[in-house]
Amino acid sequence: RKEVEQDPGPFNVPEGATVAFNCTYSNSASQSFFWYRQDCRKEPKLLMSVYSSGNEDGRFTAQLNRASQYISLLIRDSKLSDSATYLCVVNSGNTGKLIFGQGTTLQVKP
Amino acid sequence: GAVVSQHPSWVICKSGTSVKIECRSLDFQATTMFWYRQFPKQSLMLMATSNEGSKATYEQGVEKDKFLINHASLTLSTLTVTSAHPEDSSFYICSARDEVHYGYTFGSGTRLTVV
Repeated sequence: RKEVEQDPGPFNVPEGATVAFNCTYSNSASQSFFWYRQDCRKEPKLLMSVYSSGNEDGRFTAQLNRASQYISLLIRDSKLSDSATYLCVVNSGNTGKLIFGQGTTLQVKP
Repeated sequence: GAVVSQHPSWVICKSGTSVKIECRSLDFQATTMFWYRQFPKQSLMLMATSNEGSKATYEQGVEKDKFLINHASLTLSTLTVTSAHPEDSSFYICSARDEVHYGYTFGSGTRLTVV
């Protein structure tokens, strides 16, 4: 079983749609959680950290359920520029290592 | 913000030669850096953790004699792909951890093509 699992998609949505991505992780000792965005042939860039209480940054909302070991990302009012691959990332225990999910590809269409 | 410079951004080399990739933290010190590899349509796979002043820690299945890592200073880690083969062609990305602000910053990646 992969340590971080995501549905690879692709998710094809129209502009303005709301889309949600899910992620599960297997290491219960994981301490930090993130969503990264990766554009084609580029390095990943931090989109947002994920906190237990849930957090929001503009159109993006992230949630964490430690009991279920489940992380989500909600994007509201999708823009064409949101088209990218979204990577669920987990800090593996206290080693400092970041473990990446396979990524979920989002394609927003006009 | 924290910046990590990775060089070169792309390289084409002949089979059997070695390629060195540099990763520098420009405005912070990084005792720990990470090296990842990403094949097309796959996610980033951690290859090794680079520790300043000590040996790197390699992930299972990664050959330490093939992927040589040196982290001789607090701002520079290098990855040398020795005796490269076409199957080593991939996107290599480094990441440095900012111990003060607790953040991870990625280099812009190196696209290696072995012909």
